[in-house]
Amino acid sequence: DAGVIQSPRHEVTEMGQEVTLRCKPISGHDYLFWYRQTMMRGLELLIYFNNNVPIDDSGMPEDRFSAKMPNASFSTLKIQPSEPRDSAVYFCASSPGTVSRNEQYFGPGTRLTVT
Amino acid sequence: AQSVTQPDIHITVSEGASLELRCNYSYGATPYLFWYVQSPGQGLQLLLKYFSGDTLVQGIKGFEAEFKRSQSSFNLRKPSVHWSDAAEYFCAVGAVNQGGKLIFGQGTELSVKP
Repeated sequence: DAGVIQSPRHEVTEMGQEVTLRCKPISGHDYLFWYRQTMMRGLELLIYFNNNVPIDDSGMPEDRFSAKMPNASFSTLKIQPSEPRDSAVYFCASSPGTVSRNEQYFGPGTRLTVT
Repeated sequence: AQSVTQPDIHITVSEGASLELRCNYSYGATPYLFWYVQSPGQGLQLLLKYFSGDTLVQGIKGFEAEFKRSQSSFNLRKPSVHWSDAAEYFCAVGAVNQGGKLIFGQGTELSVKP
């Protein structure tokens, strides 16, 4: 298996622009997670899905952030409009769920820079 | 609520020395326990995990961890550190009632002196 795939790996955009991050989970995994990592706040869970349904979005910072999972093999995290404080590394992770005791597999991340 | 504490933000050890990274968790029952490693510019990679049974678990890259229920700890150890072990290490806790989530500690950054 190719593992969790994220694109793009790097994104540089100007404040106010829309940003879309993409994730392809490992085939057969029922859970998908979006995290954000910064020096100041560490690793934060933004939202997660089970069987394509959002379960907990309490970590989404504000309405500018939205996430979708239209099918089992694809998810997006969108920021509109983007702000400099959104600069961070965004990770996607997938998991088979409780059958694997919640073990998660992480993608390589997308480094977002908003100028 | 479940929580994970990694008391050491940054540790420096000499190459060849032994290593112990601390992790304490708060949970009412036996949780699922994990250690992940993040090398610079990379995603998190699973080092090892504990679900049940033998409280000493072996992982990749020569790491091991010991679950101590009485101390609510799951400390990571390595007998001899290599320069390539310099990275950030995360302890994480999962549980049946967490709906698939893991709770991560804040991480410990390991530096290795030559």
